[in-house]
Amino acid sequence: NAGVTQTPKFRILKIGQSMTLQCTQDMNHNYMYWYRQDPGMGLKLIYYSVGAGITDKGEVPNGYNVSRSTTEDFPLRLELAAPSQTSVYFCASTNRRGPGRMNTEAFFGQGTRLTVV
Amino acid sequence: DQQVKQNSPSLSVQEGRISILNCDYTNSMFDYFLWYKKYPAEGPTFLISISSIKDKNEDGRFTVFLNKSAKHLSLHIVPSQPGDSAVYFCAATAIQGAQKLVFGQGTRLTINP
Repeated sequence: NAGVTQTPKFRILKIGQSMTLQCTQDMNHNYMYWYRQDPGMGLKLIYYSVGAGITDKGEVPNGYNVSRSTTEDFPLRLELAAPSQTSVYFCASTNRRGPGRMNTEAFFGQGTRLTVV
Repeated sequence: DQQVKQNSPSLSVQEGRISILNCDYTNSMFDYFLWYKKYPAEGPTFLISISSIKDKNEDGRFTVFLNKSAKHLSLHIVPSQPGDSAVYFCAATAIQGAQKLVFGQGTRLTINP
């Protein structure tokens, strides 16, 4: 039972390069999210998806793109990497809360530490 | 515009004593609150949650209290153990909709033997 899996765990990019952070979950969750965590700060939402084919911007979407072609996968694309995108990125997933269902905790991956130089 | 705030960046507690972590929020639309625990180089893991229809939720050594009128919640850990040393994040969400989490800045809890 893998849960939420992120790859790679670490990456160093040069300014202007691009890359895709991979995220996959095996819990058949409808909702998936990408957060970033800067030092000493809480997690901020970049993009989210409520189901395959549906994505929307979060609080800090600039410089990123996402797609959700399947329930399991939610890749995050960085185009033209900038030093401001140096951060730790977390993918998370959860299920839509149904009638009478109170718990709505999100499950997180282990994170991708990205450095842009 | 910090909708969820944890004003104490760090807290140090003696083993066996009570740890109290605090969190304040400003958005009245939040109706579900969660605490996450994070160890270095790992993702956050869910600890405990509370709905706005309750004022207390207990799970073993962990209890979360919610004061809606003050827009304040707290996490109590009794007794504190060395394995509790971690960063604790408070998060809030509105259940209707996409259940997006808004996080506080985190409090680093250190349990001293």
